[in-house]
Amino acid sequence: GIQVEQSPPDLILQEGANSTLRCNFSDSVNNLQWFHQNPWGQLINLFYIPSGTKQNGRLSATTVATERYSLLYISSSQTTDSGVYFCAGSSNAGGTSYGKLTFGQGTILTVHP
Amino acid sequence: DGGITQSPKYLFRKEGQNVTLSCEQNLNHDAMYWYRQDPGQGLRLIYYSQIVNDFQKGDIAEGYSVSREKKESFPLTVTSAQKNPTAFYLCASSIGSAGGYTFGSGTRLTVV
Repeated sequence: GIQVEQSPPDLILQEGANSTLRCNFSDSVNNLQWFHQNPWGQLINLFYIPSGTKQNGRLSATTVATERYSLLYISSSQTTDSGVYFCAGSSNAGGTSYGKLTFGQGTILTVHP
Repeated sequence: DGGITQSPKYLFRKEGQNVTLSCEQNLNHDAMYWYRQDPGQGLRLIYYSQIVNDFQKGDIAEGYSVSREKKESFPLTVTSAQKNPTAFYLCASSIGSAGGYTFGSGTRLTVV
């Protein structure tokens, strides 16, 4: 199966700072998604972004499918942005993935006031 | 509101017991999934189901069983064969093979 590598593993910011999280895949993927896990464990889908760029408020994401990576940008960070950010994707190989997501290990973001 | 409901939030299991985690969705999604998360780790796929009465093993299916008798429901049974069941269990659904996941709020299972 595919390998998903996220960087950095940990990130500490002051409120108001900007940041970029990266996700690399070992093979071509589809169904690429970014999630935020809050301190209570709830996973929220931030973006479904198999290719291109999307923006939602202070968050935006870009996927370059041909180079097998995706970036998540957080601007003007707030304390409520703290938590763990995961990227995930399905392998294109053999057409049998059917939406099965493989997750990275996550980036732990801490935003201080 | 549409969403996924997992119950219970917390579950304690004695050694040798089977326990069943509930997952119900009213999103009219075809596909449903069960993931396991250990502390400080990413999510690993246990089982998934594309349609009613069909399901497939994921990467760590040993010691688990599922059923999909209704579109809305995808319960997970953690059997006594699962040697290390203490974990956070997350259920998800998607509209099909190409669509965003929606997650439930999870069940924390502890062996006592």
